[in-house]
Amino acid sequence: IAGITQAPTSQILAAGRRMTLRCTQDMRHNAMYWYRQDLGLGLRLIHYSNTAGTTGKGEVPDGYSVSRANTDDFPLTLASAVPSQTSVYFCASSDSAGSSTDTQYFGPGTRLTVL
Amino acid sequence: GQNIDQPTEMTATEGAIVQINCTYQTSGFNGLFWYQQHAGEAPTFLSYNVLDGLEEKGRFSSFLSRSKGYSYLLLKELQMKDSASYLCAFLGGNYQLIWGAGTKLIIKP
Repeated sequence: IAGITQAPTSQILAAGRRMTLRCTQDMRHNAMYWYRQDLGLGLRLIHYSNTAGTTGKGEVPDGYSVSRANTDDFPLTLASAVPSQTSVYFCASSDSAGSSTDTQYFGPGTRLTVL
Repeated sequence: GQNIDQPTEMTATEGAIVQINCTYQTSGFNGLFWYQQHAGEAPTFLSYNVLDGLEEKGRFSSFLSRSKGYSYLLLKELQMKDSASYLCAFLGGNYQLIWGAGTKLIIKP
């Protein structure tokens, strides 16, 4: 694989169910990010990780959790999905965080519908 | 506070030039990015400005004025494949990106 992969591509989920969105990168990037993208709104940061073993909260973290056990993987978990979490979710990575030349590269996205 | 603004939609003609503006307000600033996003796809990096002035990259150029909180993306010799959304984002004082809602660019033949 090359770049960032996300799984699943799309998912329809019943409210109240638990769901994990997977994200894997093979660029050995230190920093990884999860965003949601909703119509008419900019990308909003959910959680981020500056390096393996550390995570932080973004702008809209409620209802989501993440872990960063290794450099390559950064799963996003919805503990109990609600309809307002219907969105397109993008995972991104960058070589470093806290750098002014930090360019983020995005995965293909997961389209999630919560009914 | 922090905010960023760009037009929702623009229309241009194939072969022409279009300028997409972006204004922002923030207390901490570490650069401004432009990304392109085709419908149903992921955003892809176009340009980065941290100093005032114009950065040219082929048919695309990006300009920044830090004192005015203003940037623009200039697309020349428009092609039909340039139909996409263009996202502007600034890197704030905490080094997190704050994103505009995107400008949908429609190219007509």
